[in-house]
Amino acid sequence: DAGVIQSPRHEVTEMGQEVTLRCKPISGHNSLFWYRQTMMRGLELLIYFNNNVPIDDSGMPEDRFSAKMPNASFSTLKIQPSEPRDSAVYFCASRPGDRAYGYTFGSGTRLTVV
Amino acid sequence: AQRVTQPEKLLSVFKGAPVELKCNYSYSGSPELFWYVQYSRQRLQLLLRHISRESIKGFTADLNKGETSFHLKKPFAQEEDSAMYYCALKGGSEKLVFGKGTKLTVNP
Repeated sequence: DAGVIQSPRHEVTEMGQEVTLRCKPISGHNSLFWYRQTMMRGLELLIYFNNNVPIDDSGMPEDRFSAKMPNASFSTLKIQPSEPRDSAVYFCASRPGDRAYGYTFGSGTRLTVV
Repeated sequence: AQRVTQPEKLLSVFKGAPVELKCNYSYSGSPELFWYVQYSRQRLQLLLRHISRESIKGFTADLNKGETSFHLKKPFAQEEDSAMYYCALKGGSEKLVFGKGTKLTVNP
């Protein structure tokens, strides 16, 4: 298993541009999570899905952020328009339905908005 | 509400010394607790779960419900243990809440 796959690994964009981050969870995992990591705030949960349905999006900072999970093997996090304060590492994680297992994280996308 | 507190942002020890990374939590129900490790600019990796009660890379952690703590310990630190360590809590939902992390530096 290749694990949780995120793309791109690095993204540099200009303020005002649209940014789309992608995540492929581990096959068979029911839950998918998007986290943001910054020096100031640490790891913040933005949104999570269970069986492709958004369950809790209370961590999404504002309307500029949106996330979708059109099927069990793909999710996107979109920022439109992007701002410099959105610069962070964005992690995706997934977990199977069997609670005997923990959460597996992807390698993250390092976003820089200039 | 679920909350995880890691009181030390930085912790520095010498190689071979014991190390303890503190984690306290706040949750009214029965939590599921985890320790994750993040080596320089890499992904978070699961280190321990309190349910499994296993020892990984010499690290152990015991859930103390009376003190609401889940401290991470290792009797003899190694240089390769230098990393960021995050304590995390899962409550009734699938939501995993993280502490702010402790940066451990093991000096030669």
